[in-house]
Amino acid sequence: DGGITQSPKYLFRKEGQNVTLSCEQNLNHDAMYWYRQDPGQGLRLIYYSQIVNDFQKGDIAEGYSVSREKKESFPLTVTSAQKNPTAFYLCASSMPSGTRDTEAFFGQGTRLTVV
Amino acid sequence: RKEVEQDPGPFNVPEGATVAFNCTYSNSASQSFFWYRQDCRKEPKLLMSVYSSGNEDGRFTAQLNRASQYISLLIRDSKLSDSATYLCVVRTGGSYIPTFGRGTSLIVHP
Repeated sequence: DGGITQSPKYLFRKEGQNVTLSCEQNLNHDAMYWYRQDPGQGLRLIYYSQIVNDFQKGDIAEGYSVSREKKESFPLTVTSAQKNPTAFYLCASSMPSGTRDTEAFFGQGTRLTVV
Repeated sequence: RKEVEQDPGPFNVPEGATVAFNCTYSNSASQSFFWYRQDCRKEPKLLMSVYSSGNEDGRFTAQLNRASQYISLLIRDSKLSDSATYLCVVRTGGSYIPTFGRGTSLIVHP
C-alpha cells in the first residue's frame, strides 16, 4: 500500500537533547512538508522541500533542521534550541505544483513531549 | 490578517441538522482549495477538494466564491460520526504550499 509513515508515534525528550523524527513516503511525491500542531491550534509550517537536496524554511523553522537526501525521506530534527518543542508533528507529501488535485497526504504524526 | 481564517466554533448541532462552515483566504492568487477532517489526536484526512463550479459528495457540498475569497462546506443530515474538526486548506501558485486554517470544531449530539 502506498502511503506516508512517521515514526515514532510517541517520543519523549529530555531538555537539552536533540531528537529526530522520521518521515518516509512511497507515493513518489516530490514535495514534502513538516507541520507542527499545538492543542486547539491549526497546522504551522516548519520546513518544506520541493525536490531532493533542496528545502526551505517555513513560518516557524527556528530550532529545527531537516535534510532531503532521498525523495522518499524527509527527517526532522528538533534541536535543543527549540524552546517549546512539546507538540504534535505532522509530515505530509504531495504532487508537484501545477498538478490538479494536489492534495496533501499525511502521516499519522509524532507526539513529542519534553520531560 | 491570517492567510486562511475559520470560525473555530464549536458548532454544536443535533443529529439530522444541516450545518455550514465558511473559510476566507487572503491571497487572490490561491489556486487549489480543500476541506480536511481531523479527528481528535489523529492526522488530517482529505474530505473533499473544492472546485470552481462547486461539488457534492453525498451529504457534503463544497462551494468556492473567488470574488469574495471564501469557500464553504455544507453538511446535510448530520451524523454523530461527523463530529470532528474541519480544516480549510488553500494552495497558492509558486511554492504551492498547503496553508491551513485553524479548523472549525463540529459536535453532533443525539
